[in-house]
Amino acid sequence: DAKTTQPPSMDCAEGRAANLPCNHSTISGNEYVYWYRQIHSQGPQYIIHGLKNNETNEMASLIITEDRKSSTLILPHATLRDTAVYYCIVRVSYSGSARQLTFGSGTQLTVLP
Amino acid sequence: DADVTQTPRNRITKTGKRIMLECSQTKGHDRMYWYRQDPGLGLRLIYYSFDVKDINKGEISDGYSVSRQAQAKFSLSLESAIPNQTALYFCATSDRQAHTGELFFGEGSRLTVL
Repeated sequence: DAKTTQPPSMDCAEGRAANLPCNHSTISGNEYVYWYRQIHSQGPQYIIHGLKNNETNEMASLIITEDRKSSTLILPHATLRDTAVYYCIVRVSYSGSARQLTFGSGTQLTVLP
Repeated sequence: DADVTQTPRNRITKTGKRIMLECSQTKGHDRMYWYRQDPGLGLRLIYYSFDVKDINKGEISDGYSVSRQAQAKFSLSLESAIPNQTALYFCATSDRQAHTGELFFGEGSRLTVL
């Protein structure tokens, strides 16, 4: 699986959009970008994933650059409860595959009141 | 009730003791995983199982063993615990049929080895 690079920490004002970047310059054509978050030692929670098109769900939006070498997770209106470590992971979508997600150190997002 | 349940949630033990962490799930998923997390670090995969008869080592399996007793149960054992196995342990599940790759995590088991 391709390696990812994320800033170790970021701050965001409550109510503003939080934009979390991720670099994955060695991503392969069949690798997806996944985002998870972990709130204070709880189990990680899936947020969103995508291949090359931008994706949006009830939690967030995922913007993937055209060359797929980087992506941005957007939390449109951050709340204090969004304070967490956010993990960007790239991997082959695994139907029929024996691959598994590998978590790095992630980005600590702190939403400030 | 949680879909992925880990027991115990907290455990303090002494060096050399045998410890078992248990995980059970009600999601009906075929795949189960054990991860370990150390302070300030991400999660590292210990073992994973894609069905009852399939057990695979992850990146840090030394000092650990697992048992997949049933589709819904996956236990992690430390045969002789040592202090550097002090960590937060997570069980997770996924559904082979889902094609999304989404993992569902338990709430974690905090293990302290003195």
